[in-house]
Amino acid sequence: AQSVSQHNHHVILSEAASLELGCNYSYGGTVNLFWYVQYPGQHLQLLLKYFSGDPLVKGIKGFEAEFIKSKFSFNLRKPSVQWSDTAEYFCAVNRDTDKLIFGTGTRLQVFP
Amino acid sequence: NAGVTQTPKFQVLKTGQSMTLQCAQDMNHEYMSWYRQDPGMGLRLIHYSVGAGITDQGEVPNGYNVSRSTTEDFPLRLLSAAPSQTSVYFCASSYSGAYTGELFFGEGSRLTVL
Repeated sequence: AQSVSQHNHHVILSEAASLELGCNYSYGGTVNLFWYVQYPGQHLQLLLKYFSGDPLVKGIKGFEAEFIKSKFSFNLRKPSVQWSDTAEYFCAVNRDTDKLIFGTGTRLQVFP
Repeated sequence: NAGVTQTPKFQVLKTGQSMTLQCAQDMNHEYMSWYRQDPGMGLRLIHYSVGAGITDQGEVPNGYNVSRSTTEDFPLRLLSAAPSQTSVYFCASSYSGAYTGELFFGEGSRLTVL
């Protein structure tokens, strides 16, 4: 079955540490890729997206993600995390349909 | 800016009861959808609609009904609630469909079925 996998369920970091969250998908062909963030007590917000072109995508708040087609991956990165980045992060994939499929999410805790 | 409004925010039901989760958006979005969020399972698509009068099933449609009589409203109905439907429900809308992935989410409705 087509799916989106986020293997890191819970990540704990200290401020200023670097972050990389994994996302893999099992769809073939052309896909659109997204990362969403859910801060504590808030609703989901779009962090960044990839449709085509440069596989390195920059989003808000210093986040970026790299699309590697050969690895079916779209990992999220940030060079130096802050306490305010504590949140749950969701990868999502759309294959030119009206269904946006989400991964299971990664909870990030950043300690000062 | 109201955006996507969900009501109620919290609800407790007994097994077998019915209820409707309301979702309204004021952005004139054609696309609307319902997700449920469960620990360790992320968000799963229940139903979606690409315009008034058109609905379709998502990943986990069983036990839920939807209708889309207007562009603004997309209610989610539980006809006979079960404990397995205890979850947080999110409504989301988009101007141009899920293709762009730019969904606007409501604040969620937390449902507990006893």
